[in-house]
Amino acid sequence: GAVVSQHPSRVICKSGTSVKIECRSLDFQATTMFWYRQFPKQSLMLMATSNEGSKATYEQGVEKDKFLINHASLTLSTLTVTSAHPEDSSFYICSAIQGAPNEQFFGPGTRLTVL
Amino acid sequence: KNEVEQSPQNLTAQEGEFITINCSYSVGISALHWLQQHPGGGIVSLFMLSSGKKKHGRLIATINIQEKHSSLHITASHPRDSAVYICAVRSVSSNTGKLIFGQGTTLQVKP
Repeated sequence: GAVVSQHPSRVICKSGTSVKIECRSLDFQATTMFWYRQFPKQSLMLMATSNEGSKATYEQGVEKDKFLINHASLTLSTLTVTSAHPEDSSFYICSAIQGAPNEQFFGPGTRLTVL
Repeated sequence: KNEVEQSPQNLTAQEGEFITINCSYSVGISALHWLQQHPGGGIVSLFMLSSGKKKHGRLIATINIQEKHSSLHITASHPRDSAVYICAVRSVSSNTGKLIFGQGTTLQVKP
């Protein structure tokens, strides 16, 4: 299947700093990418839908100013966690849709720990 | 009640056993995904189904659209199959590809 990468795979940062996570579709163009958050032993929670060249659509309860999403090209979307706090510590996963038949491929995830 | 329900929530099997994980959903769908997540790891898409049956190695996925039900079967299970298996559906009303996830089934295969 198609490959989606995320960078970094793991990041530890101090409270108050900002962290950028990249999501790339390596061998296909993705018009739509999704950002998820997953807490231990819980299912994925959709944070936002990212479309190339337009503003992201955020799910209810997700702070747009805290979780900045930029879908700069058909192969790259970034999630920036601004002024991170310990409660932002989580596993962040992106996915990308590859054209027809619109199959969704997931990245390996980024584990964020905020001290 | 969740729109996507999986059963069982937890499953322990002996190596070599035939395993079935079930998924029922209450919305009209355009596609159903079976996903695999190893502890601490990313998610792998196993199957995307809109009808019938698909097979890949020891894995078989079936879907019955009329009954709104899908099953994932693992034949000759192996300890490396131990993971969380997630059923996710794309609603027909979604024009973005947004998925609705089940809570996952945690499978442990003992040697």
